[in-house]
Amino acid sequence: AQSVTQLDSQVPVFEEAPVELRCNYSSSVSVYLFWYVQYPNQGLQLLLKYLSGSTLVKGINGFEAEFNKSQTSFHLRKPSVHISDTAEYFCAAQGAQKLVFGQGTRLTINP
Amino acid sequence: GAVVSQHPSWVICKSGTSVKIECRSLDFQATTMFWYRQFPKQSLMLMATSNEGSKATYEQGVEKDKFLINHASLTLSTLTVTSAHPEDSSFYICSARDNPIGYGYTFGSGTRLTVV
Repeated sequence: AQSVTQLDSQVPVFEEAPVELRCNYSSSVSVYLFWYVQYPNQGLQLLLKYLSGSTLVKGINGFEAEFNKSQTSFHLRKPSVHISDTAEYFCAAQGAQKLVFGQGTRLTINP
Repeated sequence: GAVVSQHPSWVICKSGTSVKIECRSLDFQATTMFWYRQFPKQSLMLMATSNEGSKATYEQGVEKDKFLINHASLTLSTLTVTSAHPEDSSFYICSARDNPIGYGYTFGSGTRLTVV
């Protein structure tokens, strides 16, 4: 069965520092991967997705992610974070007709 | 881009009453919609998948009679929490597949349900 693991439940970083949020998936078939951001009391907003093609995917708000098939990973990165990036981030994979979510990573930006 | 409107954004109801939450796709037709429940500081838990014109498919452990889902049109799905109790208090989020061929999912803004 499809599963998604986010290795860090919380990631604190200083403003303007780089950040990486880790995500690993398990799958033996074609993989479609997503990163979503959730601000307090709101729904999910798509940051980026990997369906095929280039393994480096660029998304909104300066985020990017790299699909690594050999390591079954899809880590999210941003070279310089802002206070406004404080939110919950979810990695997800397309399963059988539905999305499978990771546990989420709370990104906290300290000034 | 695709937009999903979810209403209400928050609701408080008395124990024993029923609450209806609406999920509308505003600029596209959604043959499939999904309903999630999210507990504080936790991930999204899929409750059910609804397809227009047919019965919803519920995930294991979700009470069909308590969480009634109706997907009567290509732009509207509703979740009704029947005979609500305090333990039903949660954040409910809907999403719609915005591309029947591709893998695009658009999420509503969520509904905070508090049962008192």
